[in-house]
Amino acid sequence: DTGVSQDPRHKITKRGQNVTFRCDPISEHNRLYWYRQTLGQGPEFLTYFQNEAQLEKSRLLSDRFSAERPKGSFSTLEIQRTEQGDSAMYLCASSPGQVVYGYTFGSGTRLTVV
Amino acid sequence: SQQGEEDPQALSIQEGENATMNCSYKTSINNLQWYRQNSGRGLVHLILIRSNEREKHSGRLRVTLDTSKKSSSLLITASRAADTASYFCATDADYGQNFVFGPGTRLSVLP
Repeated sequence: DTGVSQDPRHKITKRGQNVTFRCDPISEHNRLYWYRQTLGQGPEFLTYFQNEAQLEKSRLLSDRFSAERPKGSFSTLEIQRTEQGDSAMYLCASSPGQVVYGYTFGSGTRLTVV
Repeated sequence: SQQGEEDPQALSIQEGENATMNCSYKTSINNLQWYRQNSGRGLVHLILIRSNEREKHSGRLRVTLDTSKKSSSLLITASRAADTASYFCATDADYGQNFVFGPGTRLSVLP
């Protein structure tokens, strides 16, 4: 296993379009997290899955954002009707059941909305 | 909202010197983590310290935790140019399963 994979690495889209990102976590990890990071800031929590169940969502996650983790494996994050304010790095992380091991992050997907 | 706040925002040192970064937080925690991020990349987990621990070491890293002051520090000894990165502390909210990150300290180690 080579770690957490995110696809694509970069995405440029026009305002109003929908985009979807994919995250493949480490296979043994049952927890998966999505964070968003803007330039010069720390990551902001968006949502969290344990297996296929979405257990927590941030207030930052507007109705335009939806995330899924079918069968508890890979996850997708979709943004509908993108806005310029959605431009950011979207980071996925996974962890085993116990938090003491920390998160393993992917390299992120950089979204630019023009 | 951010739970942790790192200090300083930016730090520039010479190779071989020690670097100290601080993190302050507002509410009680169970665990505190430190992460490193190289420019444009994902975050790398460095060390986790539990609320009942006061100090942990990992190679050239030393982390302390003072729960009475709600603060933690990360010391990197004998810094190298490769240590140039942003460093973030992350604390677990007292009710949630996720960690909340601070804005980070940008460390530059000059050769």
